[in-house]
Amino acid sequence: GQNIDQPTEMTATEGAIVQINCTYQTSGFNGLFWYQQHAGEAPTFLSYNVLDGLEEKGRFSSFLSRSKGYSYLLLKELQMKDSASYLCAVRSGAGSYQLTFGKGTKLSVIP
Amino acid sequence: GAVVSQHPSRVICKSGTSVKIECRSLDFQATTMFWYRQFPKKSLMLMATSNEGSKATYEQGVEKDKFLINHASLTLSTLTVTSAHPEDSSFYICSARDNSRGLAIAYEQYFGPGTRLTVT
Repeated sequence: GQNIDQPTEMTATEGAIVQINCTYQTSGFNGLFWYQQHAGEAPTFLSYNVLDGLEEKGRFSSFLSRSKGYSYLLLKELQMKDSASYLCAVRSGAGSYQLTFGKGTKLSVIP
Repeated sequence: GAVVSQHPSRVICKSGTSVKIECRSLDFQATTMFWYRQFPKKSLMLMATSNEGSKATYEQGVEKDKFLINHASLTLSTLTVTSAHPEDSSFYICSARDNSRGLAIAYEQYFGPGTRLTVT
């Protein structure tokens, strides 16, 4: 089966750094995605990891450890507009484009 | 960049009626589109994979006779919720895969803005 876990909610202060963790147990692995979703809107792509290590993109970084089935999304210099849900998603098979999503982490950024 | 549209953005219908939701890829061709459902405070659940010119592949537990999917062209897939009931009220989101991008490309699914269905 597929199981993806991430914290339900987190709160952080504007200007700070926050790390959102994701652990997964899937029948296969061909990439891990992070998406941002504001309430009532569709998810928007943030990052993609398929090899171990850190991928940095501006204020956002994502890390993957395949042996541990673990990833995290790091958000730096938090802004109020970063308040949103962050979804971790795994693509299981090489021949499949389907994504399995975690339940999402609702991040609240406070002044 | 690749854009996916959905229509309507919101719909309210009476119990027992049918509702059609359209998903269009505006500037690229999409052999494969995906339909997701999202309940409040829950994650996206894949309902079905829509393949142009062939039958959709439904996930376990999704009734194919209730959620009719048609993917008649490379830019359009439709989801029809038949005989809708209040428990079908949800946020329905489609995504489309750009034919020109291979498996190695991360941006291969583009999401539409979603359709909020409320069944009264």
